[in-house]
Amino acid sequence: DAGVIQSPRHEVTEMGQEVTLRCKPISGHDYLFWYRQTMMRGLELLIYFNNNVPIDDSGMPEDRFSAKMPNASFSTLKIQPSEPRDSAVYFCASSHPTGPQHFGDGTRLSIL
Amino acid sequence: KQEVTQIPAALSVPEGENLVLNCSFTDSAIYNLQWFRQDPGKGLTSLLLIQSSQREQTSGRLNASLDKSSGRSTLYIAASQPGDSATYLCAVITGANNLFFGTGTRLTVIP
Repeated sequence: DAGVIQSPRHEVTEMGQEVTLRCKPISGHDYLFWYRQTMMRGLELLIYFNNNVPIDDSGMPEDRFSAKMPNASFSTLKIQPSEPRDSAVYFCASSHPTGPQHFGDGTRLSIL
Repeated sequence: KQEVTQIPAALSVPEGENLVLNCSFTDSAIYNLQWFRQDPGKGLTSLLLIQSSQREQTSGRLNASLDKSSGRSTLYIAASQPGDSATYLCAVITGANNLFFGTGTRLTVIP
């Protein structure tokens, strides 16, 4: 059974460029989460979806960040324009309503 | 706002030793608590999920306890092995299905 799949695994780009991170949740999971992990702040929830609808985006740091879930099997997190302080590992997770969250392997993002 | 603290930040033990990792949280109004393991370059692997009505959960050599009233959880690892070396994170889940993570305990088991 495939887990949560994220792409790319690594992304290096110059500041000002648009970055798009992708996530395929586990089939049948109603919830999808985007997290950011940094050494200074640990793991932070950015946004989550229930049945493709964004429920809480209060963790999104600023307007440069946006997330979409056009269907039950795909979500994107976009940063435009990117800045060096956006460098972090971004995780996607999915779950049933009351079950444990299952995480992807993350995207390691470096903004130069 | 919920704050989750894990102590110690790092722990090094010889192989075979039993150990306890601690997690405390400030708001006892949680839905459940989840312990994760994180290996370098990998996502978080869920170890145990304790519902708010439960006191403990066990899986193999792992046992997690939850005391909501005191805002504490412990993860007990029996007969530690070098393969247990990783960072262990606890997270509390609120009724809105938000996770609040601790900063983790980095465990090293020495062969």
